[in-house]
Amino acid sequence: DIQMTQSPSSLSASVGDSVTITCQASQDINYYLNWYQQKPGKAPKVLIYDASNLETGVPLRFSGNGSGTDFTFIISSLQPEDIATYYCQQYDDLPITFGQGTRLDIK
Amino acid sequence: QVQLQESGPGLVKPSQTLSLTCTVSGGSINSGGYYWSWLRQLPGKGLEWIGYIYYYGSTYYNPSLRSLVTISIDTSKNQFSLQLNSMTAADTAVYYCARWKMSTHYFDYWGQGSLVTVSS
Repeated sequence: DIQMTQSPSSLSASVGDSVTITCQASQDINYYLNWYQQKPGKAPKVLIYDASNLETGVPLRFSGNGSGTDFTFIISSLQPEDIATYYCQQYDDLPITFGQGTRLDIK
Repeated sequence: QVQLQESGPGLVKPSQTLSLTCTVSGGSINSGGYYWSWLRQLPGKGLEWIGYIYYYGSTYYNPSLRSLVTISIDTSKNQFSLQLNSMTAADTAVYYCARWKMSTHYFDYWGQGSLVTVSS
């Protein structure tokens, strides 16, 4: 299985801050990586697909980049509604695997 | 608007088989282009992909669960189902059904999740 390692596991930031989450794959996954947002009690929602493509309707403050084994997810100006847990997910090979998640809250 | 809804028991006894059904509305399950998926989230933990099925029945399972899992599809009812055998307390989780869109390679629609507790 391809292991996905996210960091940090939790993060506290202020409204307006730029926030960066990293995801490292245990092997080269090209750009086959998605980012999801999960709010408490809700199902995950895709924000970024293929490492850097913004899903339709997702605010422009969210972005992603990277390829190979190292990926980055950025929120350029944190908003109160961004409080959630964020997951990376690879689809280069089965089984589909997720990072352990990064819990983001407001300082 | 596509919607997915899980249904099934909220409580399962140890060693029993879990059976969950996902009903799809707002779109046809046999339209092609999608894998119909099951995932789970253990309490306070991350997400685990269980497996998925294509409309004509081909299945792909997570090797960690392959010996215990069966995913099936009923296109006449627009439903797909999960069976997980020999449940233990470690299988207590929120179970999600979701649609994997093949053209964009991500889970684009999810059910709301179904909490399943394994306890005697």
